[in-house]
Amino acid sequence: DARVTQTPRDKVTEMGQEVTMRCQPILGHNTVFWYRQTMMQGLELLAYFRNRAPLDDSGMPKDRFSAEMPDATLATLKIQPSEPRDSAVYFCASARDTGWIDEQFFGPGTRLTVL
Amino acid sequence: AQSVTQLGSHVSVSEGALVLLRCNYSSSVPPYLFWYVQYPNQGLQLLLKYTSAATLVKGINGFEAEFKKSETSFHLTKPSAHMSDAAEYFCAVSEYTGTASKLTFGTGTRLQVTL
Repeated sequence: DARVTQTPRDKVTEMGQEVTMRCQPILGHNTVFWYRQTMMQGLELLAYFRNRAPLDDSGMPKDRFSAEMPDATLATLKIQPSEPRDSAVYFCASARDTGWIDEQFFGPGTRLTVL
Repeated sequence: AQSVTQLGSHVSVSEGALVLLRCNYSSSVPPYLFWYVQYPNQGLQLLLKYTSAATLVKGINGFEAEFKKSETSFHLTKPSAHMSDAAEYFCAVSEYTGTASKLTFGTGTRLQVTL
């Protein structure tokens, strides 16, 4: 049963600390997405990659957020320094893009709390 | 650019009643359309999808949706609501950006099921 995995599932940290969230996409998927979900803003697309190349990170605060895909089995989202307003659930999703995406699979999310 | 609009951020139905969640899309090309469901503290999972085949699409848990081009709609229905259907539901459209595809999500509709 192929699925997207995310670690950690929960993270509590103090303001100013670095946070790293990891995602393992489904094997064979060539597109990876990072989303943030909050009560106020709903589901926001932060960044996405195709074949490990970043395509669009316009949804991310550039000064503190960075997203990378060091290899096909790992995507990372870093926040440095973290702030209380970054508290949210962060989802990773993967898909196979053959011209059009016909299904996108979500991970269980990382719940981040910044104190 | 493709987009979807979900009418009603909250819908409440009685157990056993008809569920109707509304989604209208905007697309300059024949769209791929999706409904995702998110249960509390979980990621989004695919409920059903329309990819240019039959206009009436059946999904999991007794849900179905009908693609109506003339109305640019893709409403989600279930004949009889169950308490376990209480969740947030997201409509999405597949969008091609020129270099890759991504899903564009609506703002979500929270379904409450009462006794």
